[in-house]
Amino acid sequence: QSVLTQPPSVSGAPGQRVTISCTGSSSNIGAGYDVHWYQQLPGTAPKLLIYGNSNRPSGVPDRFSGSKSGTSASLAITGLQAEDEADYYCQSYDSSLSALYVFGAGTKVTVL
Amino acid sequence: QVQLVQSGAEVKKPGASVKVSCKASGYTFTGYYIHWVRQAPGQGLEWMGWINPNSGGTKYAQKFQDWVTMTRDTSISTAYMALSSLRSDDTAVYYCAREALSTGYFEYWGQGTLVTVSS
Repeated sequence: QSVLTQPPSVSGAPGQRVTISCTGSSSNIGAGYDVHWYQQLPGTAPKLLIYGNSNRPSGVPDRFSGSKSGTSASLAITGLQAEDEADYYCQSYDSSLSALYVFGAGTKVTVL
Repeated sequence: QVQLVQSGAEVKKPGASVKVSCKASGYTFTGYYIHWVRQAPGQGLEWMGWINPNSGGTKYAQKFQDWVTMTRDTSISTAYMALSSLRSDDTAVYYCAREALSTGYFEYWGQGTLVTVSS
């Protein structure tokens, strides 16, 4: 059971817009901690996609955008492309004793 | 450029221990925390803990507190993660990752090390 809740899967046709939600609680996202997003292509290590809720590292296309509000965050992919088919994970900091850095269970994005 | 290169795959029997290495290059090793994250087959990412390469200080997730040990050797810019009393459900890919300066996110990742626990 992940501390951050994501939908298991989302899908869209090429060119469409998809969004992935990430819901937390008052000990993580709701406490004001930033949300970060990672993309994991099959068989590879995760790659930082969005940091600090809405910032893109150098080299990440502007088709990817992030936002945060209250105890939730979202990742949006506009102009969906075939190479965007991957698993996406949200991550934040948690002030509880069990784990400090927490991830969502991941969302599989399928390009139809 | 920043690189984290991990040691190769391991096969261990239940009850054994494993030690995975993560060699850093392209930056000042002692300047950034190294975290360890694992991913069981078909599952999500699970944070295990961090090590401060400068001081050697560590912080482990409560779940792993009694059976993980993170160390480093600054002379060769390498971090290590050792896991003892292995069980079959410890079968996973183990990643090291560098945290961007006190920001809470992981900007660089190693390629991962598959640890298989099987009798």
